[in-house]
Amino acid sequence: GAGVSQSPSNKVTEKGKDVELRCDPISGHTALYWYRQSLGQGLEFLIYFQGNSAPDKSGLPSDRFSAERTGGSVSTLTIQRTQQEDSAVYLCASGSSGNTIYFGEGSWLTVV
Amino acid sequence: AQSVSQHNHHVILSEAASLELGCNYSYGGTVNLFWYVQYPGQHLQLLLKYFSGDPLVKGIKGFEAEFIKSKFSFNLRKPSVQWSDTAEYFCALGGSSNTGKLIFGQGTTLQVKP
Repeated sequence: GAGVSQSPSNKVTEKGKDVELRCDPISGHTALYWYRQSLGQGLEFLIYFQGNSAPDKSGLPSDRFSAERTGGSVSTLTIQRTQQEDSAVYLCASGSSGNTIYFGEGSWLTVV
Repeated sequence: AQSVSQHNHHVILSEAASLELGCNYSYGGTVNLFWYVQYPGQHLQLLLKYFSGDPLVKGIKGFEAEFIKSKFSFNLRKPSVQWSDTAEYFCALGGSSNTGKLIFGQGTTLQVKP
């Protein structure tokens, strides 16, 4: 597609439920990032995939968070046993070379 | 460890005023630096980037930024802001290799009064 596509665009879930957020990167981009944007918190790095290398998971806030990237393309971010503090916008970005990355419109997650 | 600091959290200007948003970084190696902008209700977009060469880089919509290595800074400037520049601005740091994560600052909210 023309840009990074994320789904769902909005998700309301009950505390304790698991959620999956999907990202379709720009075709041909080898790098894929997940960030979290909370009110007043800026952009928090979560995880980074680059080609076939092991992902950089250093930003995942707890073991309830995990992500995978299948076939070097689509990525899924999974949050297990959601908590209210997980409410945020989850942003996916992809890039090719030189660190320039392009963002999707985000998935707004609300945990009630 | 890499880090980025944006000291101005909320800036309010009148139209035609000059703008300078501060960005300081911490990293021991060669850096790539970026400014991204997020207009209300829109996704993040690249404003400009510095990889190497001329430390004064020009971006879209009349924005420019200057990389000052001795000060570990990459401040964003615009000589005359418009109401349409109202947005949130993020400075970001990447390492010089083509792999590796981008670290973002906390963001600066710019409000331009007509």
